[in-house]
Amino acid sequence: DADVTQTPRNRITKTGKRIMLECSQTKGHDRMYWYRQDPGLGLRLIYYSFDVKDINKGEISDGYSVSRQAQAKFSLSLESAIPNQTALYFCATSGGKGRPHNEQFFGPGTRLTVL
Amino acid sequence: SQKIEQNSEALNIQEGKTATLTCNYTNYSPAYLQWYRQDPGRGPVFLLLIRENEKEKRKERLKVTFDTTLKQSLFHITASQPADSATYLCALTHGSSNTGKLIFGQGTTLQVKP
Repeated sequence: DADVTQTPRNRITKTGKRIMLECSQTKGHDRMYWYRQDPGLGLRLIYYSFDVKDINKGEISDGYSVSRQAQAKFSLSLESAIPNQTALYFCATSGGKGRPHNEQFFGPGTRLTVL
Repeated sequence: SQKIEQNSEALNIQEGKTATLTCNYTNYSPAYLQWYRQDPGRGPVFLLLIRENEKEKRKERLKVTFDTTLKQSLFHITASQPADSATYLCALTHGSSNTGKLIFGQGTTLQVKP
């Protein structure tokens, strides 16, 4: 079974629609992250969370919001999707207590297309 | 401004040769540098981590060097195989940060031909 899962895997939506991407992990990690990946730009951090009560903005948080419902679940929302939010979205986790520079474990990604 | 650069051009090599990928950075003082492998349509997978006080790290056919003076890391795959074909990403953590946040390069695609 996958340690980090993302749903949906693919989504096509229209401009202005609200979209939620979900991430679940069974690794028992405290830290969770949302990235987007665009061709030629690499991975860029949207939001990250150290635990359920700690949410932080990343490099490109405008137009996005997140919710950490439990240690194992971290959701990303696009309140009103726009075409330039078309990208590949990845959730990641890391075991951060006392070891902030641990490797990150990535989910399989969600391909989002906004028409 | 802070920048991480990897060669955007694909690297094509013959099977059995050593592949060398470069990661250069400016205006960072990373305490750690990581390398990931990404296959098309999949999430990145961690390969190696090297600390700022380490010059070299090895794992099987992989070797990473970290030169904080040159602000550069080199990633080597010896005896390369077609199965090594993928995109390789370097990622830095800033030395003053305790967040675990990673800043990623855009990746270099390696193609190993049989």
